[in-house]
Amino acid sequence: QVHLQESGPGLVKPSETLSLTCIISDFSISSNNYWAWIRQPPGKGLEWIGTVYHSGSTYYNPSLKSRLTISVDTSKNQFSLKVSSVTAADTAVYFCARQIHCSSETCSLNWFDSWGQGTLVSVSS
Amino acid sequence: QSALTQPASVSGSPGQSITISCTGTSSDVGNYNLVSWYQEYPGKAPRVIIYEVTKRPPGFSNRFSGSKSGNTASLTISGLQAEDEADYYCCTYAGNNTLVFGGGTKLTVL
Repeated sequence: QVHLQESGPGLVKPSETLSLTCIISDFSISSNNYWAWIRQPPGKGLEWIGTVYHSGSTYYNPSLKSRLTISVDTSKNQFSLKVSSVTAADTAVYFCARQIHCSSETCSLNWFDSWGQGTLVSVSS
Repeated sequence: QSALTQPASVSGSPGQSITISCTGTSSDVGNYNLVSWYQEYPGKAPRVIIYEVTKRPPGFSNRFSGSKSGNTASLTISGLQAEDEADYYCCTYAGNNTLVFGGGTKLTVL
């Protein structure tokens, strides 16, 4: 049973960089799965941020791509998110998740089958 | 890349059936059988309830079913129960290695 836990500062100043880490327990990050970040502004819906494979291949939401960096650290079994030049609009609960790569049907950016509990990041001076 | 369109809210009485729609375009929902649905309770992480349009995770209630017609996917919950009251989100592969979520639907059990 995979367990994911987000960690990082809960408060970031405008124009600075938001940094979060997702620690994976009881499952290898090097398995044939993707690892993803999703966020949810207070009272609003879910937004896919981006996905990474253990090889380092990344896939980003086009609307955020210019400010994003998602990376993996296989030695620590964790992956990370950086969002630069943050504004109040980046205030959200940030979730990390395991994302299925290959199902019986196809290999693609498939569904999210396990999620972390989420961590609230507020952008404020 | 625009969010998929879902009704903001739906409601039903215990025992009834409800359907939540998720409308996209021929470039996303209509082009791939990769629609998934998530159930989210307040303060909790979402969990997948339907994937690849119609499939349920092992052990998940068969009261939940998914379908797709053209550019619209649907989630149907039959035999509505109080515990089904939650927010529901659709999500699909949208091509070019991107994903898009729906805006979410709040289900109220009357």
